Amino acid sequence: DTGVSQNPRHKITKRGQNVTFRCDPISEHNRLYWYRQTLGQGPEFLTYFQNEAQLEKSRLLSDRFSAERPKGSFSTLEIQRTEQGDSAMYLCASATEDQPQHFGDGTRLSIL
Amino acid sequence: ILNVEQSPQSLHVQEGDSTNFTCSFPSSNFYALHWYRWETAKSPEALFVMTLNGDEKKKGRISATLNTKEGYSYLYIKGSQPEDSATYLCAFWNAGNNRKLIWGLGTSLAVNP
Repeated sequence: DTGVSQNPRHKITKRGQNVTFRCDPISEHNRLYWYRQTLGQGPEFLTYFQNEAQLEKSRLLSDRFSAERPKGSFSTLEIQRTEQGDSAMYLCASATEDQPQHFGDGTRLSIL
Repeated sequence: ILNVEQSPQSLHVQEGDSTNFTCSFPSSNFYALHWYRWETAKSPEALFVMTLNGDEKKKGRISATLNTKEGYSYLYIKGSQPEDSATYLCAFWNAGNNRKLIWGLGTSLAVNP
């Protein structure tokens, strides 16, 4: 069990650019979650997958955000045309069904 | 609307003090409550999974209780240590087909040596 792995750890980009983050969950976990965390706040739910199916997507998520989990293993989160307000820590977590989630170390996104 | 509230928002205690904080959640349609600890510069770590009314869980100096009928859970820390400084988050799962996980905003605990 190598834990949940996220790449990159940090991403700095100019406003308007597209960015993609990757999450590798714990191998036997069927659920994968994406969260965003801004300073002083708890995790804000973005979306989650059960195997390869995206079961829920937050209404707060604009159309610029998209996530995939094509083979039910790793997942990618893409943000198109980044804006200043997208600067945050993006966390990925995995779990078996409704069991406690195991979190990765996150990807910190900074928009210049 | 499913809402999870945690209080207090932040707490400062001295080393050795015991402390507790609250997670309030909808009392109807309960499925499970999770407690997590989130230390600065680390990722959240699961502490407890609570599923039954009256549940009491313990991990070292930290314990939690659950009251699903009135919709609250308490987290207790006995003899706080500086390494307990973290944000403590609760997350509520509702029952049913449209199951959702709702996170509280956390209680930020600072333990002064």
